[in-house]
Amino acid sequence: DAGITQSPRHKVTETGTPVTLRCHQTENHRYMYWYRQDPGHGLRLIHYSYGVKDTDKGEVSDGYSVSRSKTEDFLLTLESATSSQTSVYFCAISEQGPTNEKLFFGSGTQLSVL
Amino acid sequence: QKEVEQNSGPLSVPEGAIASLNCTYSDRVSQSFFWYRQYSGKSPELIMSIYSNGDKEDGRFTAQLNKASQYVSLLIRDSQPSDSATYLCAVNFSYNTDKLIFGTGTRLQVFP
Repeated sequence: DAGITQSPRHKVTETGTPVTLRCHQTENHRYMYWYRQDPGHGLRLIHYSYGVKDTDKGEVSDGYSVSRSKTEDFLLTLESATSSQTSVYFCAISEQGPTNEKLFFGSGTQLSVL
Repeated sequence: QKEVEQNSGPLSVPEGAIASLNCTYSDRVSQSFFWYRQYSGKSPELIMSIYSNGDKEDGRFTAQLNKASQYVSLLIRDSQPSDSATYLCAVNFSYNTDKLIFGTGTRLQVFP
């Protein structure tokens, strides 16, 4: 398995609370991504990073922010969690970007917002 | 219209048969196409990539790309129960080269 660790693996939280999910890689890959996966919607890109402090929005970025202060860590923050953000969150990495190289996915975080 | 469309299935095939999974996409000039496999409760993993028209074979898997008709398919020969999973089609669109757009996936069931 690619060296990607997501934490926590499971989290239950209440509406309105802040939540931070962490993705840590040991591969020194340039690109890192946060996806969410929901029934009927598939995988949707939230935010991605193409280098330290370089981030951009994906398809469903509203309500989420990210930070990447080190190559190995990419944090996803829900400033004020809502029930619509209940989902499985996947972090992914790639060396050259998604156009011609595979994405390696982490094991996922199951987030439940009550 | 969704950018990447797949039939959600399930597609049920007997062991040993050929499973055919299809995907259509909206942008005629898209460049890169991928098939990911996802077992229940697990993360996706890449099984095939294809960039030019025609067929690309890798073991029991064949990816087929037809850019004129805007579809990409995945054939699995000699299907095994271990192939039972959800197969995700992903497309890198020409207007958004840093991002992959995924379809919702097709669930494949291979029965003994």
